[in-house]
Amino acid sequence: DQQVKQNSPSLSVQEGRISILNCDYTNSMFDYFLWYKKYPAEGPTFLISISSIKDKNEDGRFTVFLNKSAKHLSLHIVPSQPGDSAVYFCAVPPRNTDKLIFGTGTRLQVFP
Amino acid sequence: DARVTQTPRHKVTEMGQEVTMRCQPILGHNTVFWYRQTMMQGLELLAYFRNRAPLDDSGMPKDRFSAEMPDATLATLKIQPSEPRDSAVYFCASALDRADETQYFGPGTRLLVL
Repeated sequence: DQQVKQNSPSLSVQEGRISILNCDYTNSMFDYFLWYKKYPAEGPTFLISISSIKDKNEDGRFTVFLNKSAKHLSLHIVPSQPGDSAVYFCAVPPRNTDKLIFGTGTRLQVFP
Repeated sequence: DARVTQTPRHKVTEMGQEVTMRCQPILGHNTVFWYRQTMMQGLELLAYFRNRAPLDDSGMPKDRFSAEMPDATLATLKIQPSEPRDSAVYFCASALDRADETQYFGPGTRLLVL
């Protein structure tokens, strides 16, 4: 029973263009949603989050969009840079717990 | 520069051997998590503690895995006996009070069981 799905295991984008990473969830009972970024040989680091009462949150080049009716979350990176090459995980915190449920990740490669 | 530390960074062992992984959470963080990353499952939560008390270990195979927090500065994850299917990267993370965007991950222990 996978509550969070990232159906694209990889994505390749040219530098300067937009990267769009997608995430689908099955449960409507999440209060917020998070994106983590992971470089090789390092642990994941928090990138950006969005509350369930919003449909957009922007932080510099990173914007997260939430479509509650479709149970869909997306992360946009504009413009993409080679340093953005990493694995991106979406994550959700079930209510009344401290834990996070992570998706399987999408590997983004930004080439020059 | 507060960060979560994990030892060892790499471990190669033979099937049947005991494996112990250690984690030092960020000082003052009272919630500690153990995750496992595999190619197929992504990041799976194995167990977590708040104020050193285990709150949820439902993701952990009970027959061979055990997680403890002997004190506030040390969390351990043991596998006994280890099996090849345990090969993965194990991450520890810590957080202050609640698991929101402020879960801080260690660099991981890469385990290979032959």
